[in-house]
Amino acid sequence: GEDVEQSLFLSVREGDSSVINCTYTDSSSTYLYWYKQEPGAGLQLLTYIFSNMDMKQDQRLTVLLNKKDKHLSLRIADTQTGDSAIYFCAEEDAGGSYIPTFGRGTSLIVHP
Amino acid sequence: DTGVSQNPRHKITKRGQNVTFRCDPISEHNRLYWYRQTLGQGPEFLTYFQNEAQLEKSRLLSDRFSAERPKGSFSTLEIQRTEQGDSAMYLCASSLPVAGSTEAFFGQGTRLTVV
Repeated sequence: GEDVEQSLFLSVREGDSSVINCTYTDSSSTYLYWYKQEPGAGLQLLTYIFSNMDMKQDQRLTVLLNKKDKHLSLRIADTQTGDSAIYFCAEEDAGGSYIPTFGRGTSLIVHP
Repeated sequence: DTGVSQNPRHKITKRGQNVTFRCDPISEHNRLYWYRQTLGQGPEFLTYFQNEAQLEKSRLLSDRFSAERPKGSFSTLEIQRTEQGDSAMYLCASSLPVAGSTEAFFGQGTRLTVV
């Protein structure tokens, strides 16, 4: 996913907030997604945001979108050890095919 | 289980052999995607189907890779004359685009090891 960039690692203490950042390149992307992958498991969709929104909140998750800067972030409040996983940002290829394109993923490590 | 199912979960093969993987999508989903994921990387798009039509295949990694979805339901991904560099996790996903959103549901993948 060279069109979608993420930092590779994030380490936080249990109970703190985590913020995972992503930059993307396709300004015409309609939807942007966050997926979670736990060890040995497939990808699980966590949340998504429509491009005409600035923010979306879903329980402990907050997604912020800065369309001008093509910057997407995922904030996890009250991070728990069970949140340890790899988080992938994905944009749609809006060139007509709507293919999700993924970043390399951010490995979130939550320590006590 | 009504999720995306992939078989086998693991495949070990000798270099030069052909392998075939199967994906059963969620039944009402008309789109089916194949991705490859190597260690430390995100899923890399390979190809996708809308019903039985393969609408994008230019990103298949080489002409040794081919995919089919003959009846618009399950799909197979075949790799001919496998090479060690083909070792990876092969992921299948399906979706039913509604108002443009392609919320994709992933299977657990088939891990291929070429020895």
